[in-house]
Formats: sequence, C-alpha cells, structure tokens
Amino acid sequence: DQQVKQNSPSLSVQEGRISILNCDYTNSMFDYFLWYKKYPAEGPTFLISISSIKDKNEDGRFTVFLNKSAKHLSLHIVPSQPGDSAVYFCAARADDSWGKFQFGAGTQVVVTP
Amino acid sequence: GAGVSQSPRYKVAKRGQDVALRCDPISGHVSLFWYQQALGQGPEFLTYFQNEAQLDKSGLPSDRFFAERPEGSVSTLKIQRTQQEDSAVYLCASSGHGGAIYEQYFGPGTRLTVT
Repeated sequence: DQQVKQNSPSLSVQEGRISILNCDYTNSMFDYFLWYKKYPAEGPTFLISISSIKDKNEDGRFTVFLNKSAKHLSLHIVPSQPGDSAVYFCAARADDSWGKFQFGAGTQVVVTP
Repeated sequence: GAGVSQSPRYKVAKRGQDVALRCDPISGHVSLFWYQQALGQGPEFLTYFQNEAQLDKSGLPSDRFFAERPEGSVSTLKIQRTQQEDSAVYLCASSGHGGAIYEQYFGPGTRLTVT
C-alpha cells in the first residue's frame, strides 16, 4: 500500500529555470514531510522539511508547499543548477508512528545547460 | 564520526546464507533507522531504534530479519537464510533527536546481492 506517491519518474529542466517536483499522499495522519536528494552510490541527503501546521517553508533556492486538503506537496527549486541533477524523494510520517517515515519512489531530475 | 558509515558496502551471498550488515551512526545520535531500497524504488522502512530500544519493527518483512543496537550506538541488521528477493540496498540513517524525528542522516548503504 503506497501511501506516498511521486507520479513523475523524471523531470528535465533548463539551467536557471524553475524545477517543480510533486508528491501526493493518502494518509491524513501524516504530520511531517521531508524532501531528500540522492546522488548515485550515496545515501539520501536531507533538503528541506515542513510540518503539517504550515503551508510553506523556504530555505535558499528550495521551497516546499503543502496543500493538506489536496494531500499534495511540491518542491520548487529556483534557479535550477547542474548540481541539482539527482533523484529527489519525498517522505512523510504519521503523528502516531514516531520514526516510521514512508518514502515515494523518487523523481530523477536532469538539469541541462 | 563525520557521518554515518555502513559496512560492507557490497555483499554477495548465496541463497540460504546468513548475512550481517553493520551501521555506525553519527556519534551521539539517539535515533537509528534501517531501510531497504529496491532498484528504482524509494527506501522502505524496516525498523527504528531510540538508543538501544527497538521502538518499531513493523517494516521487517519476515522473521528472517533481525536488528539490534545493544549499546545504543552501532547497529547490526541480520538476515538469515537469505532469499533472492532480499537483494536490495540496505540504508541506515541516524538522527540526533529522540521522540519526534526530523532530519535523518543517511549512510551510503550496503548493496546485497543474493545469488
């Protein structure tokens, strides 16, 4: 039962433009959401998070938006840089399951010159 | 240490063999997590420790999987009688916050291939 879904397996974007990555979830008990970035042969690296009490969180070039009514979150990267080429995972945790984070399948981002 | 380390990085096991995968978390981190990542998929939660206590093992796929963290630091994930479907990358992560968990720091993973 996949409760966190990233329906776009890949995204290609030109350097300097905006990258928008989407994530949908089904569990209304999720209260905390994170985005991770992963390079080949490395573990995921934390990027940004958002609590369910907020609808936006910004950190430098990265902004995460949360729409609880739609059970949807998105990650915006502005401007996109070649080093942003990686796989991006969204993850979510329910308030009654402490450390049990559930991940989406990931979106491969390629930033072209 | 500087980051989460895992060993071995690669493991090939014959079907039926037992394997042990080690995770060294960031020094002082209270929480430790194990995930299984199949090719082309996101990490799947296996189990979670807070110090030496295993608080959630609901993701372990069968009783062939066992994890321990006896002194609240290093953890070992053991898989008995390995099967081909166990082939995956096993990721370990640690976090400095007990209770509500926020930023997790991941190790590079152990790629297990069962032949």
